[in-house]
Amino acid sequence: AQTVTQSQPEMSVQEAETVTLSCTYDTSESDYYLFWYKQPPSRQMILVIRQEAYKQQNATENRFSVNFQKAAKSFSLKISDSQLGDAAMYFCAYRSLDQTGANNLFFGTGTRLTVIP
Amino acid sequence: DTGVSQNPRHKITKRGQNVTFRCDPISEHNRLYWYRQTLGQGPEFLTYFQNEAQLEKSRLLSDRFSAERPKGSFSTLEIQRTEQGDSAMYLCASSTDRVWTDTQYFGPGTRLTVL
Repeated sequence: AQTVTQSQPEMSVQEAETVTLSCTYDTSESDYYLFWYKQPPSRQMILVIRQEAYKQQNATENRFSVNFQKAAKSFSLKISDSQLGDAAMYFCAYRSLDQTGANNLFFGTGTRLTVIP
Repeated sequence: DTGVSQNPRHKITKRGQNVTFRCDPISEHNRLYWYRQTLGQGPEFLTYFQNEAQLEKSRLLSDRFSAERPKGSFSTLEIQRTEQGDSAMYLCASSTDRVWTDTQYFGPGTRLTVL
């Protein structure tokens, strides 16, 4: 079974600074997706960024970018120019590309990000 | 249609009672997923539907849990004879089944408290 590990339960960053959240995963598959989702307090989970494993280029979405190291099974999220609205729980997630399966997401335990004004 | 909706947002019940939650997916999405999230954990997959067919239900936590999606649109998740350990956030997500565009979008969740 696929497992996703987020080793940082909590992180903090000064407003306007950069922070990196770590994620590692374990899989025997060669093709898969990786995601970062953000869950603000008492609000719904929203997609931050998505990476297809076959793509060597790291995904970017405005201030959010990833460092995808397939051989190391590492998928970190970098948030640049942090804003107060970035404060949330961040979940790393894995999804198989196998269309015969459930295609469900496997989540890590999350990293709570605090942004300090 | 602005996203996945779930009702109710909060449910408090007494142990032993039955509860039912509803999820309305994004209208063009034919896949629908249920997850459970306990405090301090990431969501855990329960079951999923492709249109009205429930294609995976082995992850449902016990036979007290059941889900339906009768017309391939909204879905319901029922928990019978609730236990205190069922207290959690129940999340619904939907997606298309088209490869490369099948990102799952989540609803706000239903928070269940079993007294």
